[in-house]
Amino acid sequence: DAMVIQNPRYQVTQFGKPVTLSCSQTLNHNVMYWYQQKSSQAPKLLFHYYDKDFNNEADTPDNFQSRRPNTSFCFLDIRSPGLGDAAMYLCATSRVGVEQYFGPGTRLTVT
Amino acid sequence: AQKVTQAQTEISVVEKEDVTLDCVYETRDTTYYLFWYKQPPSGELVFLIRRNSFDEQNEISGRYSWNFQKSTSSFNFTITASQVVDSAVYFCALTPSGSARQLTFGSGTQLTVLP
Repeated sequence: DAMVIQNPRYQVTQFGKPVTLSCSQTLNHNVMYWYQQKSSQAPKLLFHYYDKDFNNEADTPDNFQSRRPNTSFCFLDIRSPGLGDAAMYLCATSRVGVEQYFGPGTRLTVT
Repeated sequence: AQKVTQAQTEISVVEKEDVTLDCVYETRDTTYYLFWYKQPPSGELVFLIRRNSFDEQNEISGRYSWNFQKSTSSFNFTITASQVVDSAVYFCALTPSGSARQLTFGSGTQLTVLP
């Protein structure tokens, strides 16, 4: 089945220790998104790639970076995680302007 | 600017009851898409429906139905004969059509279906 895959599902990192979350898709969608979702809140868009074009949201901290080496893969790098970065991170894909399909998410814990 | 309001933070029903989740939106775009997503406790957001702004036909899919009324800027979601497995957070969302732009989510409605 075509899908969006996120690894790992659970990630524990130490305060200040860089961490990378990964996302892959078999849907061949040209747009990939990263969202941050904290408890009892709606997902918040961090950035998205339209093909190779990177689009950062204005309020996304510099601590968050992303890479998309090819159509199928996209990575979220958190350079120096703080306690406030503990959240669920959701990857999504779409064709332009239509519904987004989400992966299962990676729950990040910062100790 | 876009905004989606889900005024119901939490709803609790007993199994087999019907329940309606409200969604009201604001947008200046002339064409847009509306969506409903389900987020069960596992965390994955599951796409339920997309509705184009120029298609006001209501839609039914099994126990789910959606009522889109452009005149009142509402896109309500009804679950008929609710089941325990329907327990989840439901998000209504909006995006302009024809662009790779972010979804504007409502704050979500936590639905609990009691056995």
